[in-house]
Amino acid sequence: DQQVKQNSPSLSVQEGRISILNCDYTNSMFDYFLWYKKYPAEGPTFLISISSIKDKNEDGRFTVFLNKSAKHLSLHIVPSQPGDSAVYFCAASTGNTPLVFGKGTRLSVIA
Amino acid sequence: EAEVAQSPRYKITEKSQAVAFWCDPISGHATLYWYRQILGQGPELLVQFQDESVVDDSQLPKDRFSAERLKGVDSTLKIQPAELGDSAMYLCASSRNREGGYTFGSGTRLTVV
Repeated sequence: DQQVKQNSPSLSVQEGRISILNCDYTNSMFDYFLWYKKYPAEGPTFLISISSIKDKNEDGRFTVFLNKSAKHLSLHIVPSQPGDSAVYFCAASTGNTPLVFGKGTRLSVIA
Repeated sequence: EAEVAQSPRYKITEKSQAVAFWCDPISGHATLYWYRQILGQGPELLVQFQDESVVDDSQLPKDRFSAERLKGVDSTLKIQPAELGDSAMYLCASSRNREGGYTFGSGTRLTVV
């Protein structure tokens, strides 16, 4: 039973355009959400997070939106750059429980 | 910037052999996690430590996997005997609190032949 779902295995975007990565969750107790970025042969690196008391968090080119009623969050990258090409994981937790990860979305930014 | 150290980076072992991975978390991070990532999947928790105590090992296959963090600092994950299905990336992470997210090491890529 997957509690965090990333239904798009891959996404291709042109350089300079917006990348939108989506994530759905089923556990209504989740109250903290994170996005991680992973390059091949490296561990995931923390990108941005959002608490359930907010609906938007922005950090430079990265913005995360949270829609609690739909149990949906998204990561927007504007403008997309070739160096953004990686696998992006959505993760969630409740209280101090360990993070639960989605399966990831492979983003390819084409120059 | 502080890092989580893991070794070895790569390990090839024959099935039924024993294998061990080591992790040194960021200094001061009381919480340490071992995750396993199978190709095409997201990381899945194996075990969580708070200092030297196991907090959650519900997903750890205890018939063949063991983990310890004896002095509450570095940690070892062991598999004995290894099976073909254990081939995966084994990731160690540490955290001070959840607001900063987890810091992951570079992982150990295990191939069982």
